[in-house]
Amino acid sequence: RKEVEQDPGPFNVPEGATVAFNCTYSNSASQSFFWYRQDCRKEPKLLMSVYSSGNEDGRFTAQLNRASQYISLLIRDSKLSDSATYLCVVNINNNDMRFGAGTRLTVKP
Amino acid sequence: DAGVTQSPTHLIKTRGQQVTLRCSPKSGHDTVSWYQQALGQGPQFIFQYYEEEERQRGNFPDRFSGHQFPNYSSELNVNALLLGDSALYLCASSLRFRTGRNTGELFFGEGSRLTVL
Repeated sequence: RKEVEQDPGPFNVPEGATVAFNCTYSNSASQSFFWYRQDCRKEPKLLMSVYSSGNEDGRFTAQLNRASQYISLLIRDSKLSDSATYLCVVNINNNDMRFGAGTRLTVKP
Repeated sequence: DAGVTQSPTHLIKTRGQQVTLRCSPKSGHDTVSWYQQALGQGPQFIFQYYEEEERQRGNFPDRFSGHQFPNYSSELNVNALLLGDSALYLCASSLRFRTGRNTGELFFGEGSRLTVL
């Protein structure tokens, strides 16, 4: 089983749509969780951290279920500029971060 | 405030050769992690350096080795290159211990794209 598994995608959605990405992780001792965004041929950048209580940043909502070892990211009112690959990231220990394969999102006019 | 810098940005090698990639972390960061990203895949963890020692290692062979210098900069060395080593090599810096506002975020460089022919 992979350490971090994500929806393979790709997701192609119209502007204004709501889209959800799912992620599962195998290491129950994982310490912290993140979503990173990677634009084409660019480096990954932090989108948001994920907390057990769930957290929201504008149009983005992240959820964590430790019991199910499941992480989600919801994007509301999609914009063209949201087109990117979204990477689920799990901190195994002391910033030893493990990445999922990523889910590619394309938002179309 | 300089971010993470990597060199070279692109390089081409042939099978069997050796390569050294370099990374300077973000100012104030003490930990450097290296990742390999093949086309269409997520970054795969190679290893992490802190206080000039390898602290964690992913599932990569001994052909992959590294070093961290007293100024926190780091090198990744790959010996006996294989075609399958062709990838984007990403360096990420962070602070080892999460204190105060340190969220443990990784800051990435733009990467070194290695092509093995």
